[in-house]
Amino acid sequence: QKEVEQDPGPLSVPEGAIVSLNCTYSNSAFQYFMWYRQYSRKGPELLMYTYSSGNKEDGRFTAQVDKSSKYISLFIRDSQPSDSATYLCAMSLNAGNNRKLIWGLGTSLAVNP
Amino acid sequence: NAGVMQNPRHLVRRRGQEARLRCSPMKGHSHVYWYRQLPEEGLKFMVYLQKENIIDESGMPKERFSAEFPKEGPSILRIQQVVRGDSAAYFCASSPGWGVPYEQYFGPGTRLTVT
Repeated sequence: QKEVEQDPGPLSVPEGAIVSLNCTYSNSAFQYFMWYRQYSRKGPELLMYTYSSGNKEDGRFTAQVDKSSKYISLFIRDSQPSDSATYLCAMSLNAGNNRKLIWGLGTSLAVNP
Repeated sequence: NAGVMQNPRHLVRRRGQEARLRCSPMKGHSHVYWYRQLPEEGLKFMVYLQKENIIDESGMPKERFSAEFPKEGPSILRIQQVVRGDSAAYFCASSPGWGVPYEQYFGPGTRLTVT
């Protein structure tokens, strides 16, 4: 079993739709939960991060962490064609020298005008 | 303020040759991470370095791969005697120090093709 599971999609939605992206994980020791966006042939770009449980909102983006279910979500409201990209979840223990990010496979999203 | 720089952006090597990938961190950043991305496996951590010091190499293959981050100059990921399975995108990230995991800023990657 992978430490982080993410449905690779692809996911196709019309412009303006609400998009829900999700990851599950197995390691209850993860403390930091991140969402990255990656355009084709580019490096990952941090969208949002959450420490421990709870919700966080930034503009059209909302990140949620449910540690009891080992489940994290990213919601995109009023989706735009420019949101078309691969969305990656990543997690970290952040314990001592352990700073490595553990990644989901990424979900490919297409927002159609 | 320039971001993380990687070169070359594309590298083609024949089986058995050596590949050297370079990463210049963001200004003021002293920690570097290397990740490899394969289509069916996603991003995988390889190694975490501070200047002149390897902090965590738990993701590095035991043979043929090495990494360094010298006092002066870029970080280098070196792959000796490349094989077809080494074909992947290699990403470098940097952080300002003993910060939090989300402070890793990624470069554009080097795409290695082994023929």
